[in-house]
Amino acid sequence: EVQLVESGGGLVKPGGSLRLSCAASGFTFSSYTMNWVRQAPGKGLEWVSAIDSRSSFIYHAGSVKGRFTISRDNAKNSLYLQMNSLRAEDTAVYYCARVKDDSSGRRFDYWGQGTLVSVSS
Amino acid sequence: EIVLTQSPGTLSLSPGERATLSCRASQSIRSSYLAWYQQKPGQAPRLLIYGASSRATGIPDRFSGSGSGTDFTLTISRLEPEDFAVYFCQQYGGSLMYTFGQGTKLDI
Repeated sequence: EVQLVESGGGLVKPGGSLRLSCAASGFTFSSYTMNWVRQAPGKGLEWVSAIDSRSSFIYHAGSVKGRFTISRDNAKNSLYLQMNSLRAEDTAVYYCARVKDDSSGRRFDYWGQGTLVSVSS
Repeated sequence: EIVLTQSPGTLSLSPGERATLSCRASQSIRSSYLAWYQQKPGQAPRLLIYGASSRATGIPDRFSGSGSGTDFTLTISRLEPEDFAVYFCQQYGGSLMYTFGQGTKLDI
């Protein structure tokens, strides 16, 4: 069974840092592109960052570029998001999600349960 | 950047009725890059439809997707009580980047 379990969320002051983790199991983690997606309270979904299977390609949304860094450790089946210079508007539930890409299309087929990041003084 | 606009913002229907949700892209996108998700309160999104019209594993056949170019539709043929949720469309914009629509809330 595919499982994605996020951790590391919490309350942090503006300007602070936090590192999120996503532990993957039930599939060959090293074969999949992974993403972070966030959802501010009562709002829609916002794609944040993506990393390909070998960490060769990394992309971040403009809203977090220069402040957030996505990374992975395939030996540990883990995905990370290092968040620096946090702002109030970064307050959200952060989800990790797996990309499935085949001839039928590209989609996020599995999601974690999310971890809440609150940025407040 | 391609913008996805979903309509209506809220759709109020009753069990047994048909629901039609729209997702319009600001420019033409490949159908294989359009997906739909369902999200219930306190839960993570769940994949419903990918490639504009393919149902994900375990999704009932009352859910169907259609469309091409800039106009895509999610249809729920006969609403069940568990279908009342928020629905998001998503497109892949290349270079591993994605955008989501703002969501449609399906209300009883």
